Amino acid sequence: EAQVTQNPRYLITVTGKKLTVTCSQNMNHEYMSWYRQDPGLGLRQIYYSMNVEVTDKGDVPEGYKVSRKEKRNFPLILESPSPNQTSLYFCASSRARDRLYEQYFGPGTRLTVT
Amino acid sequence: DQQVKQNSPSLSVQEGRISILNCDYTNSMFDYFLWYKKYPAEGPTFLISISSIKDKNEDGRFTVFLNKSAKHLSLHIVPSQPGDSAVYFCAASQFFNNDMRFGAGTRLTVKP
Repeated sequence: EAQVTQNPRYLITVTGKKLTVTCSQNMNHEYMSWYRQDPGLGLRQIYYSMNVEVTDKGDVPEGYKVSRKEKRNFPLILESPSPNQTSLYFCASSRARDRLYEQYFGPGTRLTVT
Repeated sequence: DQQVKQNSPSLSVQEGRISILNCDYTNSMFDYFLWYKKYPAEGPTFLISISSIKDKNEDGRFTVFLNKSAKHLSLHIVPSQPGDSAVYFCAASQFFNNDMRFGAGTRLTVKP
């Protein structure tokens, strides 16, 4: 089954404790992206990757890091989480030749930073 | 700054009637527009899209209209069904950029 998986689905952590949210897709997609969803703001792009070893900042990259060492994986790293990073996070992927026109989203990771 | 705006946070419609969801954008360089649907506890799923070279695209009960001069697009759902109840996000993209901008979403409720 074609899918984007994220782990964990729920996470409660404390300020400053480094964490990683994993994202994996099994569709051989070149393009992968991370978004956060906040009330009244919709989905905002954090980082995206056009292919392996190619990443770039989206709309709200501050406080986040990403890496793309393998085509299928695109982890999101919070080196020192803060309460304003409490949000619902989505990973997405799409074929590069379709660019980001039809992205497949993961189920989401709800992060709470206290 | 929010380049894509959905000014109606919610919309309620009777089953069988038309649902019209609206979206405005400010960046005239956007050349591709999409609608995504999101159910609770799930990720968004792609619904329908339209290129800036068109002014209408239809897929079954869903039609998207684009008015470039007004920087406005709308999604029509006819007839509306209770299963259409979800949050709908409008999104826009620019060919030479690789990012995508989303609106804040409109929660559609279709009442039986």
